[in-house]
Amino acid sequence: QSVLTQPPSVSGAPGQRVTISCSGSSSNIGEGYEVHWYQQVPGRAPKLLIYGSTNRPSGVPDRFSGSKSGTSASLVLTGLQADDEADYYCQSFDSSLTAYVFGSGTKVTVL
Amino acid sequence: QVQLQESGPGLVKPSQTLSLTCTVSGGSMSSGGNFWSWIRQHPGKGLEWIGYTYSSGNTYYTPSLKSRVSMSVDTSKNLFSLQLRSVTAADTAIYYCARGDYTNSWSNWFDPWGQGTLVTVSS
Repeated sequence: QSVLTQPPSVSGAPGQRVTISCSGSSSNIGEGYEVHWYQQVPGRAPKLLIYGSTNRPSGVPDRFSGSKSGTSASLVLTGLQADDEADYYCQSFDSSLTAYVFGSGTKVTVL
Repeated sequence: QVQLQESGPGLVKPSQTLSLTCTVSGGSMSSGGNFWSWIRQHPGKGLEWIGYTYSSGNTYYTPSLKSRVSMSVDTSKNLFSLQLRSVTAADTAIYYCARGDYTNSWSNWFDPWGQGTLVTVSS
């Protein structure tokens, strides 16, 4: 199982706001390692959405935002759109495992 | 912009070696301090980081696969490779290559990714 825990699924109506949590521990997020988020549309490769916990690469809409506090991080999607339906993964580094680690993934459904 | 493309056999027999290549275009692997990674995704499952190589040839592998993995780089051809030995059905997955980027040692991420290639281990 993943060392970064995410809810299996979240859903919302178009235009609504959803939040995806990423819960870690003192050997990863809590130790100070930043969190990064990826969007994976079915059948496609993951795409970087947020890096350094709060930064958006160029081209990523400001509807996507990230935050980090303590041993957890969150990804917020506002103004939900149909093409936001995808799987979302958080990623960090774990000093106990000495490996980059990914969250378990969250499927976002637009109702 | 930098693009990555995986290539290699889609079917490997159990106990044999899985070999994949990632060709980098749109930029030199040797420029900047990026690292170059392999990541896999078992069918319908999450993502698992396998390891990375620098253009210098320095490598680091995830401990759980370290005994079976090796990576190499060919900067003259702008590509890097993955070898996974003694494969079993549990190694069936989509294999992605990706460029590693960073701001400091506390913040390393993967961007961009290749499209991925499905490798099935079966006799």
